Amino acid sequence: SQTIHQWPATLVQPVGSPLSLECTVEGTSNPNLYWYRQAAGRGLQLLFYSVGIGQISSEVPQNLSASRPQDRQFILSSKKLLLSDSGFYLCAWNTGVGYTFGSGTRLTVV
Amino acid sequence: GQSLEQPSEVTAVEGAIVQINCTYQTSGFYGLSWYQQHDGGAPTFLSYNGLDGLEETGRFSSFLSRSDSYGYLLLQELQMKDSASYFCAVRDGGTYKYIFGTGTRLKVLA
Repeated sequence: SQTIHQWPATLVQPVGSPLSLECTVEGTSNPNLYWYRQAAGRGLQLLFYSVGIGQISSEVPQNLSASRPQDRQFILSSKKLLLSDSGFYLCAWNTGVGYTFGSGTRLTVV
Repeated sequence: GQSLEQPSEVTAVEGAIVQINCTYQTSGFYGLSWYQQHDGGAPTFLSYNGLDGLEETGRFSSFLSRSDSYGYLLLQELQMKDSASYFCAVRDGGTYKYIFGTGTRLKVLA
């Protein structure tokens, strides 16, 4: 079966610290993968998407970056976190008719 | 540009039927999907409409009219556990991105 894993579930980081969130997919090959961010009580903002290894499309220019080092691995990073980076980060896989989301990472920058 | 509109909030009583509307503007159309998100959780895929008409999955149904750029999610026999936010989403033209509506918060009252 096809599953998507995302970790960690919760993260509290100081301003200026680095960030690395990882997402992996199992049971499929060459998936289209996405990173979204959701502020409290708000909608879903697309940050990055990838259609293959090394292929990254950025939707929102900011201090975040993404990488796709392996077919089923998608990583969201930052060198220096800002307070405004706080939010709920979701990795998603395109199933062809919609998304399957990971369980999400709730990031609080303090 | 691409945009989707949904009501911000809907309230109904247990056992009732509720309809959540979604109107969209896109360049090209590749289907409308619906997601449910409980507070603190990740969105989960509910349904997809690629063609006009009604799709039924248990207590939930989704309808699409491409000529009207309109769809809705119908929830029958409402239960308290249906209290959640509901998002519609469309694929963005010829890209691999999905654009989400602002979300509708459904409150089910006893």
